[in-house]
Amino acid sequence: DIQMTQSPSTLSASVGDRVTITCRASQSISNGLAWYQQKPGKAPKLLIYDASTLESGVPSRFSGSGSGTEFILTISSLLPDDFATYYCQQYKSFHTFGGGTKVEIQ
Amino acid sequence: QMQLVQSGAGVKKPGASVKVSCKASGHTFSYTFTGHYMHWVRQAPGQGLEWVGCINPNSGGTDYAQRFQGRVTMTRDTSISTVYMELSGLRSDDTAIYYCAREIRDSSSGNDAFDIWGQGTMVTVSS
Repeated sequence: DIQMTQSPSTLSASVGDRVTITCRASQSISNGLAWYQQKPGKAPKLLIYDASTLESGVPSRFSGSGSGTEFILTISSLLPDDFATYYCQQYKSFHTFGGGTKVEIQ
Repeated sequence: QMQLVQSGAGVKKPGASVKVSCKASGHTFSYTFTGHYMHWVRQAPGQGLEWVGCINPNSGGTDYAQRFQGRVTMTRDTSISTVYMELSGLRSDDTAIYYCAREIRDSSSGNDAFDIWGQGTMVTVSS
């Protein structure tokens, strides 16, 4: 099974900050990676798929990069609406999610 | 706007089974229910996301995560655009929100991102 390791698990930041979240796969997954945002009591929302493709309707301050085993989600300038938990997901071989990164207000 | 509407929350006793439904509604003209794999993901209270398995609504073919093999069954009823997930032999650690989710691209092989999610169904296992 492919394992996904996400870091950090918690991130304290302020509005306007540039934020990066890292996801590492235990073996190469090419570009089979997605990023989701989840707010309390809500279902996850797709942000990025194929490692770097922005889902329709998602603001351009979100971007994804990487391939193989290392991937990064970047929020260029944090807005109040962005405080949430973020998950990566590999779909190269079945499906595995990272442990999540909670972005909280500093 | 296409959406997935799931059945309501339930409380089950250990050892029992639960069956959760997920109905696709508000279809656009270009969307076909049978064209997109459907997945089930669960989330225990305060925990992360865990993939349970998926179904091809066209063929009825399924893939399950190894840890649920033998306990989970996914089915579909194309006449009402609905998929089902049944989990048997419930234990307390099956207490979770269960989500259905649609693959983003049609004709994918079960290996794709999920673009539309249901609202979630809370299943509580308690004696």
